[in-house]
Amino acid sequence: KNEVEQSPQNLTAQEGEFITINCSYSVGISALHWLQQHPGGGIVSLFMLSSGKKKHGRLIATINIQEKHSSLHITASHPRDSAVYICAVSGGGGSEKLVFGKGTKLTVNP
Amino acid sequence: GAGVSQSPRYKVAKRGQDVALRCDPISGHVSLFWYQQALGQGPEFLTYFQNEAQLDKSGLPSDRFFAERPEGSVSTLKIQRTQKEDSAVYLCASSSAGTVSPLHFGNGTRLTVT
Repeated sequence: KNEVEQSPQNLTAQEGEFITINCSYSVGISALHWLQQHPGGGIVSLFMLSSGKKKHGRLIATINIQEKHSSLHITASHPRDSAVYICAVSGGGGSEKLVFGKGTKLTVNP
Repeated sequence: GAGVSQSPRYKVAKRGQDVALRCDPISGHVSLFWYQQALGQGPEFLTYFQNEAQLDKSGLPSDRFFAERPEGSVSTLKIQRTQKEDSAVYLCASSSAGTVSPLHFGNGTRLTVT
C-alpha cells in the first residue's frame, strides 16, 4: 500500500462544477503539500498546510490530522484548471523526504 | 532569477554516456531537493541538501547517481554510465526551510537514454 493515496485518479467535469480531490496518508507528517502540474510543464505549489484550512482564490485545501486525510476543492471550475493535481507529504519520521501521491488528472470541459 | 532554473531542458544521451544536470535555486534558499519523475508517475525523492550539506541521499537509485552543491547554491546531479531505465524527468526544487515551507520547482530536465 502506498503511503499516499489519491482519489480519483481521473476526473472529468463541466465548466462551473465544484471539484473535490482527496488524499489519504498512512504516516505521521509535519506538512502536506498540494501541487499542480500542467502537461509538459513544471510543478507549481498550491498549498502547504499542517492543520485546518487554507483558501486561495477558487482553491480551498483542508486537512484532518486525526483522520490523516486532506481534500483539495476547486469552486467554479474552468478549463484552465485542467492539470494533474498531486498530494505530497513530508516529515514522516523527521525526514525531509517528500512522498508523493500518483496524482489526479483533472479535465474541465467548456 | 525569479524562479528555480534547470538546464538543459532536454537531454538525449546514448547508453553508457555520463550526463550532468544543473539546478539554480532561488537565491537564498537553504534547502534543495532532486526528484525523478518517470512517465505517467508521480515524482520520487532522490536527494536533499541543506546549504552545501547533503543530508539525505537515500533515494538515489544506484552508485551511478551523484549530486553535489559545493557552495550551497547551484547543484549538479550527475549520472554516470546512463542506462535506459534512467530516462525520466529530473526535477529540482528549493525552499527556505525544508519541506515545512512552500517548495518552488524548476521546469525539469527531460532525459532520454537511447
